[in-house]
Amino acid sequence: AAGVIQSPRHLIKEKRETATLKCYPIPRHDTVYWYQQGPGQDPQFLISFYEKMQSDKGSIPDRFSAQQFSDYHSELNMSSLELGDSALYFCASSLGQGLNNEQFFGPGTRLTVL
Amino acid sequence: SQQGEEDPQALSIQEGENATMNCSYKTSINNLQWYRQNSGRGLVHLILIRSNEREKHSGRLRVTLDTSKKSSSLLITASRAADTASYFCATSIQGAQKLVFGQGTRLTINP
Repeated sequence: AAGVIQSPRHLIKEKRETATLKCYPIPRHDTVYWYQQGPGQDPQFLISFYEKMQSDKGSIPDRFSAQQFSDYHSELNMSSLELGDSALYFCASSLGQGLNNEQFFGPGTRLTVL
Repeated sequence: SQQGEEDPQALSIQEGENATMNCSYKTSINNLQWYRQNSGRGLVHLILIRSNEREKHSGRLRVTLDTSKKSSSLLITASRAADTASYFCATSIQGAQKLVFGQGTRLTINP
């Protein structure tokens, strides 16, 4: 079965550079979530989209922005990168806005900021 | 973590033994989900238990939920070396869809 696809899988950037992470949800899933997991930490919710509209916002820095496109894929744009942005970034998708919908996670993008 | 705490933080047992991990949370929830994560890899969804359910089974996994105590447990029976991973509970809190994760339990199964 098709899963959530994230690209790239690994990314190395310098401080103050920008990065764009992409997420392709499971086919027919209309809701996308972004999470950040620092080294040895639990995943922290950043932002989510439903039908191309932002549906919830968590601890996402102002330097980050995201959007969901008409084909439901999503991109997380990160600017003025800092060392502390080094983390695993997960995208998850679900079908609909149901409160008991399972979220399926992608393999993650490992971002390293030097 | 904002919402949950997991106990123990690390657990090491022999292959074939049962492993129990606990999760506590603070606010009312829609559901609680358990995920497995191998070192530095993706999160694999294991099981979802709704707030009106008390127990759920999936293969060697048994999850309980006690909403009065705001706690859940994950039991893995007849553990295998391949079960070695970190296990996270995540709650979907009322009024929101985002998941709030606990700190995780690092489980090691010794052959």
